[in-house]
Amino acid sequence: DQQVKQNSPSLSVQEGRISILNCDYTNSMFDYFLWYKKYPAEGPTFLISISSIKDKNEDGRFTVFLNKSAKHLSLHIVPSQPGDSAVYFCAARPNAGNMLTFGGGTRLMVKP
Amino acid sequence: NAGVTQTPKFRVLKTGQSMTLLCAQDMNHEYMYWYRQDPGMGLRLIHYSVGEGTTAKGEVPDGYNVSRLKKQNFLLGLESAAPSQTSVYFCASSYQVAGLSYNEQFFGPGTRLTVL
Repeated sequence: DQQVKQNSPSLSVQEGRISILNCDYTNSMFDYFLWYKKYPAEGPTFLISISSIKDKNEDGRFTVFLNKSAKHLSLHIVPSQPGDSAVYFCAARPNAGNMLTFGGGTRLMVKP
Repeated sequence: NAGVTQTPKFRVLKTGQSMTLLCAQDMNHEYMYWYRQDPGMGLRLIHYSVGEGTTAKGEVPDGYNVSRLKKQNFLLGLESAAPSQTSVYFCASSYQVAGLSYNEQFFGPGTRLTVL
């Protein structure tokens, strides 16, 4: 049973609009959450993270929101750009250590 | 500074054949990881290492072995390949983690393996 789920396999957004990518988790022991971005034929690259003691973290156009009671996090991209078109993976870390559990990914397509 | 490199980029095997995937990093990272990526499943951890000479099992270790003889290299072996091992394999590395801190994992470009 997947402990980290991304229920939307794909998302299409117009350039300049907001992209919202969602992620749900089941393990209450997760204490650190991350988003990775992946272009075709490349490895994933780290995008943004949030600790469980916070509910929001912002970095430029990217903001991650964490709702611990709902076991839900989301990534907001504003404004969306065609270069943001990629697969986005949500990941979570249980307790301490550096091991990650990944979601299945969401393919974002930003149309010019 | 090449970061994390993987060899080979592509490989086709027949069922029962063996092969070794090589991962190398030049960032002096202590931790290294092997993942496989399958459609809809995200990345799943196969094995990892927290230092030279150490290895540990991840979420899906069956059918794979690993070795970390040198700090900069992490090898993934398939002794008898099966079609279920058709996947894209990613290696990653990171600095050592202390306490509750987290260190970013840096990924290689991947190896696409097909087992017929």
